[in-house]
Amino acid sequence: EAEVAQSPRYKITEKSQAVAFWCDPISGHATLYWYRQILGQGPELLVQFQDESVVDDSQLPKDRFSAERLKGVDSTLKIQPAELGDSAMYLCASSARQSSYEQYFGPGTRLTVT
Amino acid sequence: AQSVTQPDIHITVSEGASLELRCNYSYGATPYLFWYVQSPGQGLQLLLKYFSGDTLVQGIKGFEAEFKRSQSSFNLRKPSVHWSDAAEYFCAVGAFSGGYNKLIFGAGTRLAVHP
Repeated sequence: EAEVAQSPRYKITEKSQAVAFWCDPISGHATLYWYRQILGQGPELLVQFQDESVVDDSQLPKDRFSAERLKGVDSTLKIQPAELGDSAMYLCASSARQSSYEQYFGPGTRLTVT
Repeated sequence: AQSVTQPDIHITVSEGASLELRCNYSYGATPYLFWYVQSPGQGLQLLLKYFSGDTLVQGIKGFEAEFKRSQSSFNLRKPSVHWSDAAEYFCAVGAFSGGYNKLIFGAGTRLAVHP
């Protein structure tokens, strides 16, 4: 069964350092999402891609966060510089098309900022 | 604005007992509703979804949910809980915003199962 891949699974970094997460969606899925999930809360959408274009980044803290999906396949989410409050699970999801609400999630990257 | 409320932060049940997890939504149109399960340290797995039609929907792992428009609810149920059901459960509503579809999640209900 096709799955969304994410790496690394765990990341510990010091504040003010740069950190990057990678996501490979299910093959053929045009829409890709990055979510942040703070402990004890539900996932919150950070950025949504349709192919290589960002279609919603209204909740992305653009002063320190960036996301790209250059060839419309895999994607990278970067934080620079990391802050203590960025400690969270970062989830990637994909869906077959923009009109679909069905999203398939990867295992996530657990980030701890010290 | 669209929102999802899961009133119960933490629920504990005995193995073999029945389960009901509550979910209330706020959405102006006919909602698309979802339940996801998240095991510790893992991503989210779709349990079931409601788009239209029969208000009682069946999902994986023996779960079902009932859509009640009059109560703006989409409660998740299971007749007999297994120890492996211990996890966090998220209700979500599909929203159309800014020209694109997105999911809005509740804060989750953590389920503990006693042997």
